[in-house]
Amino acid sequence: EAGVTQFPSHSVIEKGQTVTLRCDPISGHDNLYWYRRVMGKEIKFLLHFVKESKQDESGMPNNRFLAERTGGTYSTLKVQPAELEDSGVYFCASSQDAGVPLNTEAFFGQGTRLTVV
Amino acid sequence: GQNIDQPTEMTATEGAIVQINCTYQTSGFNGLFWYQQHAGEAPTFLSYNVLDGLEEKGRFSSFLSRSKGYSYLLLKELQMKDSASYLCAVRDRITGGGNKLTFGTGTQLKVEL
Repeated sequence: EAGVTQFPSHSVIEKGQTVTLRCDPISGHDNLYWYRRVMGKEIKFLLHFVKESKQDESGMPNNRFLAERTGGTYSTLKVQPAELEDSGVYFCASSQDAGVPLNTEAFFGQGTRLTVV
Repeated sequence: GQNIDQPTEMTATEGAIVQINCTYQTSGFNGLFWYQQHAGEAPTFLSYNVLDGLEEKGRFSSFLSRSKGYSYLLLKELQMKDSASYLCAVRDRITGGGNKLTFGTGTQLKVEL
């Protein structure tokens, strides 16, 4: 079974440009999360989708970040325009639906390393 | 909010036992997870605790004390491949299901010969 996949693995863009990150969750997982790790700091929650709906977007830094999950399958995270402080590793994770036992873990992708120069 | 503390680095010898501690202060709690992350790779799930006590899974065990806001991950019979970052993460209140996690900064474990 394929795991969570993210594309691209690396992206280097100039300040002011736009970048779109993609995440393909594990098939059948209703829950999809975006997290970010800025250099030297902890992984931080950005937002949570349940199917195509945003359940919690309390971690989104500002309105330059837009996440979508049309159709409830893959998700994209767009940063427009990118700023220097957006550099970091963006992780996507997925987990099964709320009906399963609480010990169901989230499965993470390998992350997209974004560098804004 | 949540605050999670764990040591930044630890060094241990191959074949030995190492304990990685994690303390947390949270407004809500619905479970504590440990993840392992090798450089450049995805964090991978190791263990989950929601009740007090010890959970054992092969060479890895995890302990939780909710009253003390404390957990540890115990790695036995260390191998070189165990060199990695170990992430402690707390799940907040469950809203609509799911796994919204608050992470510590991770403990970088180095296993030496």
